[in-house]
Amino acid sequence: RKEVEQDPGPFNVPEGATVAFNCTYSNSASQSFFWYRQDCRKEPKLLMSVYSSGNEDGRFTAQLNRASQYISLLIRDSKLSDSATYLCVVTGSNDYKLSFGAGTTVTVRA
Amino acid sequence: NAGVTQTPKFRVLKTGQSMTLLCAQDMNHEYMYWYRQDPGMGLRLIHYSVGEGTTAKGEVPDGYNVSRLKKQNFLLGLESAAPSQTSVYFCASTQSPDALNTGELFFGEGSRLTVL
Repeated sequence: RKEVEQDPGPFNVPEGATVAFNCTYSNSASQSFFWYRQDCRKEPKLLMSVYSSGNEDGRFTAQLNRASQYISLLIRDSKLSDSATYLCVVTGSNDYKLSFGAGTTVTVRA
Repeated sequence: NAGVTQTPKFRVLKTGQSMTLLCAQDMNHEYMYWYRQDPGMGLRLIHYSVGEGTTAKGEVPDGYNVSRLKKQNFLLGLESAAPSQTSVYFCASTQSPDALNTGELFFGEGSRLTVL
């Protein structure tokens, strides 16, 4: 079983729409959770951390459900510039590495 | 602000050839990583290093070797390239597990390798 699994999408939404997607993780000992953003053929970059109480950063809301071992990302009022692949990332089986999901692709159309 | 620099950015090899990818970081980070990214597979850890002179295997180490002779450099070697090693390779670095737990993992721009 993969450590982190995501729906690959693509999620194709119009500008202004809300889009949400989840990822599940297998290691119940994972302590830290993140969403990274990756634009086409570029390096991943940290979008936001995910906290147990849930957190917002502008139009982005991330939530963590430890009991069910999933995290979610919701994007409100989608912009064309939100088109990207969103990587779910969790701390791995040791302190020295992160485990990445394969990514969820979001395409926002005009 | 150079951050993490990978060279070369593109390379085409023939099966059986060897090559080395260089990752250099100027942030005095302790931990460095080599990932490969293939369609539908996400980033998979090849090897990593927790300090100068140390290396460890990740999820997919076969066919690769690494060295960390200097703190700022992490080299990834392919001794005998195979078509299955066609991929995009990303180097990354972070200062410590505490930094990693805040998501402070800095990536290079990637190296696109094609093995014919």
